[in-house]
Amino acid sequence: QSVLTQAPSASGTPGQRVTISCSGSSSRFPLNTVNWYQQLPGTAPRLLIYDNNQRPSGVPDRFSGSKSATSASLAISGLQPEDEAEYFCAAWDDSLNALVFGGGTKLTVL
Amino acid sequence: QVHLVESGGGVVQPGSSLRLSCAASGFSFSDSGMHWVRQSPGKGLEWVAVISYSGGDKNYGASVKGRFTISRDNSRNTLYLHLSGLRPEDTAMYYCAKRSGSLATLDSWGQGTLVTVSS
Repeated sequence: QSVLTQAPSASGTPGQRVTISCSGSSSRFPLNTVNWYQQLPGTAPRLLIYDNNQRPSGVPDRFSGSKSATSASLAISGLQPEDEAEYFCAAWDDSLNALVFGGGTKLTVL
Repeated sequence: QVHLVESGGGVVQPGSSLRLSCAASGFSFSDSGMHWVRQSPGKGLEWVAVISYSGGDKNYGASVKGRFTISRDNSRNTLYLHLSGLRPEDTAMYYCAKRSGSLATLDSWGQGTLVTVSS
């Protein structure tokens, strides 16, 4: 059972804003920063958001991240067809001494 | 430009061993921590192991601890993962990834190498 929980699927129409959540119990949600990874169909994952809300160079500012005490969120504004992908949250868990991933949310652009 | 190329995957029988390699270029490999992450067919991402820039510190995921060994050769700019006691549930695409900043920040990934464990 993953420390990080994500809804298995989400959807939106082009131009819409969608939010993907990553949650855990307050006692288990990582105190460390949360990162988000995007995996397009048939490709390797790529870093989308790091340190809760930072974008690597080349990531459009349509993507944004946030984190509270018990959850983290990835928001995508102005949804585009090429955003159809699976999105994973991740964080280092000090108690497990391990990198933990959420189960992933498959985003469909209708 | 960072380039990571995995190799060494294949079809193996349960109980056998395999060594995966990840050739790195385009960055200072000897200054970078490195991870292995795997993904079973149709499933999510599972972290396998991490190694520090020097090779002195290593951590493993619970499901592979005691069976897999991560190592590196900084003179060859190459990361390795030695897999032993392979089980059908180890069947997955294995990715190497470069660490940047926090332990959870993997800023560059290879294309992966597929390991299939089957009798």
